[in-house]
Amino acid sequence: DGGITQSPKYLFRKEGQNVTLSCEQNLNHDAMYWYRQDPGQGLRLIYYSQIVNDFQKGDIAEGYSVSREKKESFPLTVTSAQKNPTAFYLCASFGSSYNEQFFGPGTRLTVL
Amino acid sequence: AQKVTQAQTEISVVEKEDVTLDCVYETRDTTYYLFWYKQPPSGELVFLIRRNSFDEQNEISGRYSWNFQKSTSSFNFTITASQVVDSAVYFCALTFYNQGGKLIFGQGTELSVKP
Repeated sequence: DGGITQSPKYLFRKEGQNVTLSCEQNLNHDAMYWYRQDPGQGLRLIYYSQIVNDFQKGDIAEGYSVSREKKESFPLTVTSAQKNPTAFYLCASFGSSYNEQFFGPGTRLTVL
Repeated sequence: AQKVTQAQTEISVVEKEDVTLDCVYETRDTTYYLFWYKQPPSGELVFLIRRNSFDEQNEISGRYSWNFQKSTSSFNFTITASQVVDSAVYFCALTFYNQGGKLIFGQGTELSVKP
């Protein structure tokens, strides 16, 4: 079955540590996205990539970094520069026809 | 400004009631796409519907229906005869042609359907 996988489901980080969230898709989609969701709020775009080896900042990119070395993979690193990283992170991918974005199950990150 | 507003933060209904979730958007673009997603407690977003700006036909899918009105920049979602399984957070979202598919989300409406 095609879809998007994210790992881990839950992640705990100590202050000052960098952590990397995994996102993999087998939908053959060119575009991939990372969104952040805070309690009671909508999703905000962190980074997106429309093609391999290229990515753009979204609305809240500070403190995050990404890479897109393979079409299937779009990992997100939450760096120590991100002051308030505790949130729910959702990865999505998008085909070429402006149909729906497919979302992964999410990673819940907690800073201890 | 490009923005999506879901003014209803929380709605609580009793099973079998009808409920309408409001979505108002702002844009000056003429080509855009509107979406509704459902987020159950598990957290994953489930796609419900996509509508492009040139198609103002209302749509019905089972107990779900959508009313798109460009004159009022609204894309409202109605659940008929609500069920407990409809309890979730519902998001309205907007994207534009040639904008890389970036979605602009509303704040979400948390729907609670009580038995």
